[in-house]
Amino acid sequence: GAVVSQHPSWVICKSGTSVKIECRSLDFQATTMFWYRQFPKQSLMLMATSNEGSKATYEQGVEKDKFLINHASLTLSTLTVTSAHPEDSSFYICSLVWGYTDTQYFGPGTRLTVL
Amino acid sequence: GENVEQHPSTLSVQEGDSAVIKCTYSDSASNYFPWYKQELGKRPQLIIDIRSNVGEKKDQRIAVTLNKTAKHFSLHITETQPEDSAVYFCAVETSGSRLTFGEGTQLTVNP
Repeated sequence: GAVVSQHPSWVICKSGTSVKIECRSLDFQATTMFWYRQFPKQSLMLMATSNEGSKATYEQGVEKDKFLINHASLTLSTLTVTSAHPEDSSFYICSLVWGYTDTQYFGPGTRLTVL
Repeated sequence: GENVEQHPSTLSVQEGDSAVIKCTYSDSASNYFPWYKQELGKRPQLIIDIRSNVGEKKDQRIAVTLNKTAKHFSLHITETQPEDSAVYFCAVETSGSRLTFGEGTQLTVNP
């Protein structure tokens, strides 16, 4: 399967600052990546679909100006949480679809804590 | 949009017993149904998946059954072991390879 990395694995920041999270495909080129958010003891909620070379597609209720997504290359997508607040504290996970299958592989996740 | 319901939310079994987790979905056009296992603080890991052209798939102790008419699918784990303890999520693929997840089942296997 696909190898997906995320950086950083965890981050603590002050309220009002912005945080960038990177998602990398290490072994193949991914035209589409996904970003999920998972609150403690809850399920994964899809935030947006990241498309290489074009604008991201956001799910209903997700603020595109707060969660900036950039998919500048076939191996890298970034999620920037702008003006973070404590309620943005969560586990952010990216994923990608491997090759021509439906199989979706996940990155190791980034634990964001906003003080 | 797609609505996925998963039951039970918690499941406790004795080692060696079987565990069954069920999911229902709403969109009859959905064709891909994966199951993920997530340990605390870790990424979800695909354990088995099924596509709508088959009714059952098995991989060693794990099996998935799909009833497209009734719009439900189930995960079956036989001969459970303590290392099977984790949260299990079902998911349903919608348009553009997007996944909608169930709420998860905390499985505890007691030695």
